[in-house]
Amino acid sequence: AQSVSQHNHHVILSEAASLELGCNYSYGGTVNLFWYVQYPGQHLQLLLKYFSGDPLVKGIKGFEAEFIKSKFSFNLRKPSVQWSDTAEYFCAVSLLSGGGADGLTFGKGTHLIIQP
Amino acid sequence: EAGVTQFPSHSVIEKGQTVTLRCDPISGHDNLYWYRRVMGKEIKFLLHFVKESKQDESGMPNNRFLAERTGGTYSTLKVQPAELEDSGVYFCASSPWTGVGNSPLHFGNGTRLTVT
Repeated sequence: AQSVSQHNHHVILSEAASLELGCNYSYGGTVNLFWYVQYPGQHLQLLLKYFSGDPLVKGIKGFEAEFIKSKFSFNLRKPSVQWSDTAEYFCAVSLLSGGGADGLTFGKGTHLIIQP
Repeated sequence: EAGVTQFPSHSVIEKGQTVTLRCDPISGHDNLYWYRRVMGKEIKFLLHFVKESKQDESGMPNNRFLAERTGGTYSTLKVQPAELEDSGVYFCASSPWTGVGNSPLHFGNGTRLTVT
């Protein structure tokens, strides 16, 4: 079974700092990769996703992530964070299959706190 | 469009009692998913409906959990009898077509269940 590992459970940064959240998955086949975000009091929202093609994907709010197949990684980055980026971030994987279990496998999440 | 709605937002029950969680997906979404996050752990897939049929229930923890989706519209998740380890946040998500890799998942705000 696939699994997803997020390197940091809590990250605290100052505004304007650069952000990189690590995500590694374990699965040898083809996968779809996602980053979701949950702002305080809100529902999970999709930040960005990778299916195929350019391994550097851009999402909403200035976020981007790079898929490195050889490292089984999909790290999330943002050059300059804002206080409003305070949230919990989840990396997720789904298997590229036409049927069966196509639910997402999530990592444990990273709490990001941006200090003004 | 209205998003995925879940009710109640919070529920506190005693061990041994029964609780029913409800999810109303986005209108027209055939696919409905239930996920659960136990405190400090990852969000885990529970099951997947396509219309009224259970496509995959491999994530259901045990037979104390019963999910239904009457008429392929809203879904309920009943826990009977509840145990302490059932505490967590239960998320519902819906999508318009099968294959989460290609189909955007829309999440509800979740129901926080506390079993005392």
